[in-house]
Amino acid sequence: GAGVSQSPRYKVAKRGQDVALRCDPISGHVSLFWYQQALGQGPEFLTYFQNEAQLDKSGLPSDRFFAERPEGSVSTLKIQRTQQEDSAVYLCASSLARTAGGRGYNEQFFGPGTRLTVL
Amino acid sequence: GIQVEQSPPDLILQEGANSTLRCNFSDSVNNLQWFHQNPWGQLINLFYIPSGTKQNGRLSATTVATERYSLLYISSSQTTDSGVYFCAVLYSGTYKYIFGTGTRLKVLA
Repeated sequence: GAGVSQSPRYKVAKRGQDVALRCDPISGHVSLFWYQQALGQGPEFLTYFQNEAQLDKSGLPSDRFFAERPEGSVSTLKIQRTQQEDSAVYLCASSLARTAGGRGYNEQFFGPGTRLTVL
Repeated sequence: GIQVEQSPPDLILQEGANSTLRCNFSDSVNNLQWFHQNPWGQLINLFYIPSGTKQNGRLSATTVATERYSLLYISSSQTTDSGVYFCAVLYSGTYKYIFGTGTRLKVLA
């Protein structure tokens, strides 16, 4: 497809379950970002990949959150032992170029998000 | 700390009115983007504008990097402009985009 896609679009989990959220970036995009957006708030950075390398994971809220991008394309955000406070929309974005270190062309394009509800 | 502040937080307009949204940031930036988040939650790219001025139809944006602010202008507003407008900045030397607090716009018919 032409844009960033995410699946599932909606996920309901019971507290304590593990979930996996998938992101398919735009083909050829080097950079990939995950964000968490709570209701009524702006997106908050979780983690950043440049190809398969995870260069910044400072936004992951706990060690229950894990992200990977093993082949430098599709990425998965995994949340273990979900808690109610994990309920949010999880957004993925990709961009063509590298970010830090220069003013390269790195406009982000966002997917539709996955709305996670933990009961 | 790193901050991105947007104003006003809320705005109600009559259809056809003009408006200016502001984004203030606290350090030098490599990138700045404006987004419109529609009622379905999709973030739509409006402008990629780390500096200078751009126009796209009824929308235009200006970033004055030396004074650490960006403005988004909406002219002849339409009901479909309703939603939340975010700016997001990438500070120099970092990988982490910081989103502003958003401006919630409602355009009345």
